[in-house]
Amino acid sequence: GAVVSQHPSWVICKSGTSVKIECRSLDFQATTMFWYRQFPKQSLMLMATSNEGSKATYEQGVEKDKFLINHASLTLSTLTVTSAHPEDSSFYICSAGGGAYSNQPQHFGDGTRLSIL
Amino acid sequence: QQQVKQSPQSLIVQKGGISIINCAYENTAFDYFPWYQQFPGKGPALLIAIRPDVSEKKEGRFTISFNKSAKQFSLHIMDSQPGDSATYFCAASETGTASKLTFGTGTRLQVTL
Repeated sequence: GAVVSQHPSWVICKSGTSVKIECRSLDFQATTMFWYRQFPKQSLMLMATSNEGSKATYEQGVEKDKFLINHASLTLSTLTVTSAHPEDSSFYICSAGGGAYSNQPQHFGDGTRLSIL
Repeated sequence: QQQVKQSPQSLIVQKGGISIINCAYENTAFDYFPWYQQFPGKGPALLIAIRPDVSEKKEGRFTISFNKSAKQFSLHIMDSQPGDSATYFCAASETGTASKLTFGTGTRLQVTL
């Protein structure tokens, strides 16, 4: 089946550091990727939608200057948490799909647990 | 308008029993309804999905029942097993399978021996 790979799976870093998370679709071309944030025992909260070759669309309340998203190819999207602070600690999950009118359903990566000290 | 309401929040079922999770939506433009299973520390995995043109879809032990007029859909897990213990999320989207998903709040299922 379709596989979405997310890296790293776990990162711990000091406050003020910028952290980059990669999301790769391994066996299909993903024109659209999504980034979610999930707090413990809560649902997934969509942060932004990225379309290959264009700017990401951020959900209301998500700081686009703090959460930089790049989707430069059909198989790779990156999320950079800039100047991370303890309140940015969370579980970040990406998903990849074939685009709004594609029959390829969204497949999720295994998430990145980010801990900011 | 964009919410998907999910219940119950948690569920305990004996091995071999039927687990039932319910979801309701308001947005009539939703046309794709997937269910995801999530284990701790992992991303959600697609279980089964349905479109509004059918009222039921079955895959193995998992069945989705869909009631378009009531704007409700449910997941039934037959012969529940301890390995099914996980958090289940319903979701909905407009205009295709890879569009923005609106997730329910999740149901923590525990299947006991």
